[in-house]
Amino acid sequence: EVQLVESGGGLVQPGGSLRLSCAASGFTFSNYSMNWVRQAPGKGLEWVSYISSTGYTIYQAESVKGRFTISRDNAKNSLYLQMNSLRDEDTAVYYCVRDPQSGVTPYFDYWGQGTLVTVSS
Amino acid sequence: QSVLTQPPSVSGAPGQRVTISCTGSSSNIGAGFDVHWYQQLPGTAPKLLIYGNTNRPSGVPDRFSGSKSGTSASLAITGLQAEDEADYYCQSYDNRWLIFGGGTKLTVL
Repeated sequence: EVQLVESGGGLVQPGGSLRLSCAASGFTFSNYSMNWVRQAPGKGLEWVSYISSTGYTIYQAESVKGRFTISRDNAKNSLYLQMNSLRDEDTAVYYCVRDPQSGVTPYFDYWGQGTLVTVSS
Repeated sequence: QSVLTQPPSVSGAPGQRVTISCTGSSSNIGAGFDVHWYQQLPGTAPKLLIYGNTNRPSGVPDRFSGSKSGTSASLAITGLQAEDEADYYCQSYDNRWLIFGGGTKLTVL
């Protein structure tokens, strides 16, 4: 059974940093691209960042470019999101999601339960 | 404001058919990129409902179907059930970014 379990969320002050982790199991992690998707309270979904299966290719949304860094450790079956210079508008539930790498357009076939990040003074 | 436009809400009675539209442009759906749909039940993470415009993952009832034409896509739900009450999101690709619609809240009357 595919499982994605996020951790590391919490309350942080504006300008602060936080590192999210996602532990993957039930599939060969090193074969799949991964993403982070977030959802602000009461709002819709927003794609945040993508990392290829090898970690060599990375894409980020403009809203987080230069502040967030996605990474992975295939030996540990883990995905990470380093978030720096956090802003109020980064408050959201952050989901770790798998890309099955099937078809023309990327999509997300498995989602974690999410971890809440709250940026507030 | 989302690049993909969805109606904020739709509703229907049990057993009825409802559709949810997802309108894009020539730089995303109209450029040939696929549309995918997700269902988010209250208080839970989103779940893949339709991928590649029309395909259902294993376990998704055939009451759910997707279509795409030109710069738009649609999700149809037939035989509406109370447990279908949820938020629905379309998703596609535009200029190296993965994009979502703003979401549609389905209410089962």
